[in-house]
Amino acid sequence: QVQLQESGPGLVKPSGTLSLTCAVSGDFITSDLWWSWVRQPPGRGLEWLGEVYHSGNINHNPSLRSRVTMSVDKSQNQFSLELSSVTAADTAVYYCAKVGPARGGIFLHWGQGILVTVSS
Amino acid sequence: DIVMTQTPPSSPVTLGQPASISCRSSQSLVHSDGSAYLNWLQQRPGQPPRLLIYKVSDRFPGVPDRFSGSGAGSYFTLKISRVEAEDVGVYYCMQATQFPYTFGQGTKLEIK
Repeated sequence: QVQLQESGPGLVKPSGTLSLTCAVSGDFITSDLWWSWVRQPPGRGLEWLGEVYHSGNINHNPSLRSRVTMSVDKSQNQFSLELSSVTAADTAVYYCAKVGPARGGIFLHWGQGILVTVSS
Repeated sequence: DIVMTQTPPSSPVTLGQPASISCRSSQSLVHSDGSAYLNWLQQRPGQPPRLLIYKVSDRFPGVPDRFSGSGAGSYFTLKISRVEAEDVGVYYCMQATQFPYTFGQGTKLEIK
């Protein structure tokens, strides 16, 4: 049974860096899959942040410009998100997800999400 | 970016009755390969989203057949043939034809 579990600080100071990890169990991070991040501000809709392949290939949302870094840790079977220069607008529930390899954004499985609040 | 617009914002429905949600994209979702990559997701209260329909009308494994998707070009519809209590939540359309993937603002389905 595939499980994705987000972890990281629940509180980040403004101008700081948000760092999250998604641990994958029941599947291999090196499988032919994309590993994605989606966020949802409280009470609002969904925003796709980007996706990473185990080779290091990344597709990201240009709206976040150069603030986003995504990576894969094959030894730990997990992938990570870093978002720099955060503001209150980055307060959201962050979800990690497993996405099928073919075109089409087939979100196969989601983590439960982690709330990250940006506040001093 | 492709803008996705859903209507209505909320939909009160009687149990056992049908429901319909519309989604319009700011440009055609037909990819150069001929397919339209329009997905529908359901988010129950307190839960992560869950994929219901992909590529306009393909039902994801495990999704009840009361859910169906249709449409073409820039206009798409999600239909629930007979609403059940477990269908309460917010429904999102999402385009995956072009990066970045974008979502509609959501339609809240509630029981009358």
